[in-house]
Amino acid sequence: GQQVMQIPQYQHVQEGEDFTTYCNSSTTLSNIQWYKQRPGGHPVFLIQLVKSGEVKKQKRLTFQFGEAKKNSSLHITATQTTDVGTYFCAGRVDSSYKLIFGSGTRLLVRP
Amino acid sequence: DSGVTQTPKHLITATGQRVTLRCSPRSGDLSVYWYQQSLDQGLQFLIQYYNGEERAKGNILERFSAQQFPDLHSELNLSSLELGDSALYFCASSAWDYEETQYFGPGTRLLVL
Repeated sequence: GQQVMQIPQYQHVQEGEDFTTYCNSSTTLSNIQWYKQRPGGHPVFLIQLVKSGEVKKQKRLTFQFGEAKKNSSLHITATQTTDVGTYFCAGRVDSSYKLIFGSGTRLLVRP
Repeated sequence: DSGVTQTPKHLITATGQRVTLRCSPRSGDLSVYWYQQSLDQGLQFLIQYYNGEERAKGNILERFSAQQFPDLHSELNLSSLELGDSALYFCASSAWDYEETQYFGPGTRLLVL
């Protein structure tokens, strides 16, 4: 079935270091969304990418959608302790109404 | 606060029992989605309703069922509960169904003993 793989599963960084999580789909996606879930909280929508090769920035966060619309990445520059949480990508295949979530990358930041 | 409400917040029950989880979407949203999140696991899509009708089905067990009512609130029914059903159950809503951002509720934490 359709799968969205996300790596790494965990990332432990020193505050100030950069962080990147990668998302790969077995099929072409119509769009991809990114969510952040703080410890003990619920997923919160960050951004949606729709176009091939699209790059969007939100302050220290940079989101990319691959040219083939099968992969995506989230890069955080100079992490802060407030960035702690699990980051999920979620992709939608054209023929489906389902949003398929990746397994998430759990980010821990050492102060 | 996403505007999505879920009740109850916590639920403790025994194996074999049946429970109902309730979700009220954001005002004006027509779609409701249910997800299961087990400990340290990702989000497993269960089912989606749009304006009262089932729109998409994910990895939902036959012991589980859901519905969306005319006032757009939704209920997820879990029956013949097993230990492995212990998880966090999220409801999310969106304005429409396709290409839409989903807003998640705070979740219901279910513990089956």
